[in-house]
Amino acid sequence: SQTIHQWPATLVQPVGSPLSLECTVEGTSNPNLYWYRQAAGRGLQLLFYSVGIGQISSEVPQNLSASRPQDRQFILSSKKLLLSDSGFYLCAWSPNEDTQYFGPGTRLTVL
Amino acid sequence: SQQGEEDPQALSIQEGENATMNCSYKTSINNLQWYRQNSGRGLVHLILIRSNEREKHSGRLRVTLDTSKKSSSLLITASRAADTASYFCATRVNNAGNMLTFGGGTRLMVKP
Repeated sequence: SQTIHQWPATLVQPVGSPLSLECTVEGTSNPNLYWYRQAAGRGLQLLFYSVGIGQISSEVPQNLSASRPQDRQFILSSKKLLLSDSGFYLCAWSPNEDTQYFGPGTRLTVL
Repeated sequence: SQQGEEDPQALSIQEGENATMNCSYKTSINNLQWYRQNSGRGLVHLILIRSNEREKHSGRLRVTLDTSKKSSSLLITASRAADTASYFCATRVNNAGNMLTFGGGTRLMVKP
């Protein structure tokens, strides 16, 4: 069966520091991969999605970037974090154009 | 602005009662999905209804879709305390590839 992992689960970082969040999927090949951000008590904002290795589409211009170095690995990065980057980051995968399966999320607090 | 908007934003009911949540969207869709999120956790897919379907059932869940009104509803019958969570609708818009657009969610509290 397929599983999706995210780490770390929680992260506290100072403003201006770099960021790297990792997401990996097991048990499937060539998944569509997604990064979302969720502000407290709000809905999900799509940040990036990828349909294959090295293929990244950005939905929101900001100081974040994403990379897909391997088929089942999706990384969210920043060179310099802002206070507004705080939030709950969710990675998801999809085998097709329908259902998405979410990871457990990473709670990021930027101080 | 968001494609999907849930209504109400928050709902509090007693165990055993039914809970109804609504979702409205703006553009034509390929399908509409409902997800559930427990506090601080990832989202879990509940049910998908396609644009050519009007009603779908899954256990205690009933979803309707009215494409003429661009709206959907999620009914949870005989609610339980364990149903307490946030519920989100998500739409896959025609010609938008693999992307889903999520609404702001309805926070449901079921009191024992």
